[in-house]
Amino acid sequence: AQKVTQAQTEISVVEKEDVTLDCVYETRDTTYYLFWYKQPPSGELVFLIRRNSFDEQNEISGRYSWNFQKSTSSFNFTITASQVVDSAVYFCVPSNNSGTYKYIFGTGTRLKVLA
Amino acid sequence: DTGVSQDPRHKITKRGQNVTFRCDPISEHNRLYWYRQTLGQGPEFLTYFQNEAQLEKSRLLSDRFSAERPKGSFSTLEIQRTEQGDSAMYLCASITGYEAFFGQGTRLTVV
Repeated sequence: AQKVTQAQTEISVVEKEDVTLDCVYETRDTTYYLFWYKQPPSGELVFLIRRNSFDEQNEISGRYSWNFQKSTSSFNFTITASQVVDSAVYFCVPSNNSGTYKYIFGTGTRLKVLA
Repeated sequence: DTGVSQDPRHKITKRGQNVTFRCDPISEHNRLYWYRQTLGQGPEFLTYFQNEAQLEKSRLLSDRFSAERPKGSFSTLEIQRTEQGDSAMYLCASITGYEAFFGQGTRLTVV
């Protein structure tokens, strides 16, 4: 079964700062997916990025970038030039790759971006 | 609106009453999930449907909980004899491929 650890419970940054959210996961699957979701105060979970386990290429998408290292089971997420609207709880989510694609959520990291 | 729709958005009920929530997934998605989220926690998996078949249920889904997805379209989650510990946000997600689309949830408060 998958397990995820987001050691940072809460992070506060000042607007325009870069911020990195850490994620360490555990899985027995050889192939799997990793996601980052955002949950703003409105409550809806918003998909941000996806990475499959057999592609360790790190990418940038707008202000978002991620660093996936399979050897250390880490999947860190960076927001560049943070904005107040980025304030939310962020979840790193591993998903199995065998049928149910069940998403396993941890407790998330609450990001506060201050003006 | 082509997203996942949940109804009602909020529900306040007295302990011991039955409640039912509805989820309308994105129409072409055949997989549907229910999650429960309590304050300060991440969502916890409850159950999963592939079309109309309920394929997996979490241990969190006690015998007071029942979920259905008739005809593989919308789904309902019923809680019988509600308890205060059932107070939570109930989230529905439909999945295409490997990406989940979540609804805005139903917030249940049991008083």
